[in-house]
Amino acid sequence: DIVMTQTPLSLSVTPGQPASISCKSSQSLLHSDGKTYLYWYLQKPGQSPQLLIYEVSSRFSGVPDRFSGSGSGTDFTLKISRVEAEDVGVYYCMQGIHLTWTFGQGTKVEIK
Amino acid sequence: QVQLVESGGGVVQPGRSLRLSCAASGFTFSSYGMHWVRQAPGKGLEWVAVISYDGSNKYYADSVKGRFTISRDNSKNTLYLQMNSLRAEDTAVYYCAKTTVPWGQGTLVTVSS
Repeated sequence: DIVMTQTPLSLSVTPGQPASISCKSSQSLLHSDGKTYLYWYLQKPGQSPQLLIYEVSSRFSGVPDRFSGSGSGTDFTLKISRVEAEDVGVYYCMQGIHLTWTFGQGTKVEIK
Repeated sequence: QVQLVESGGGVVQPGRSLRLSCAASGFTFSSYGMHWVRQAPGKGLEWVAVISYDGSNKYYADSVKGRFTISRDNSKNTLYLQMNSLRAEDTAVYYCAKTTVPWGQGTLVTVSS
């Protein structure tokens, strides 16, 4: 199984400041079709997970442009350019190159 | 409207069975593989099972292999998870999922005597 490792596991951010979360996979997520199957989800308190980013850097419908994803192969990053109060929650990276998905441990983001 | 709606959760005794359902709408359900993912109270996300678009291929997490069965009825746009020999550690919110479809609210399964 592919292991997904996120750092840090928690983050306290001042509103308006940037934030960054790292995700490393134990195997390359680059598929033979040329796509890299790395996703980012946010689970806000009391809600189900919502997709933010798919295939490393594509923002899902309705996701604000302050969220961006980057990376390749086994190293990936989610960046929030200016954190807002509504961004609190737990962020998960997920690999989808294999049908047997695996998730990172989650990064809890809170506002200072 | 693209939507996934899970149902069928509840409180069940250890060793008993439960069947979850997931009604899909707003997309061509029969064209896509579908997954079940669960989240134990206060814990992270755990992938459970996947089924191919036509039901011909199924894969399971080791933690549920031999006890859970995933299936689908494309004529009803519905995904199922048959859960047998339930254990306390199966207590979780269960979500059906596809990557680019918004997840539903999930259905809570509590295994307790």
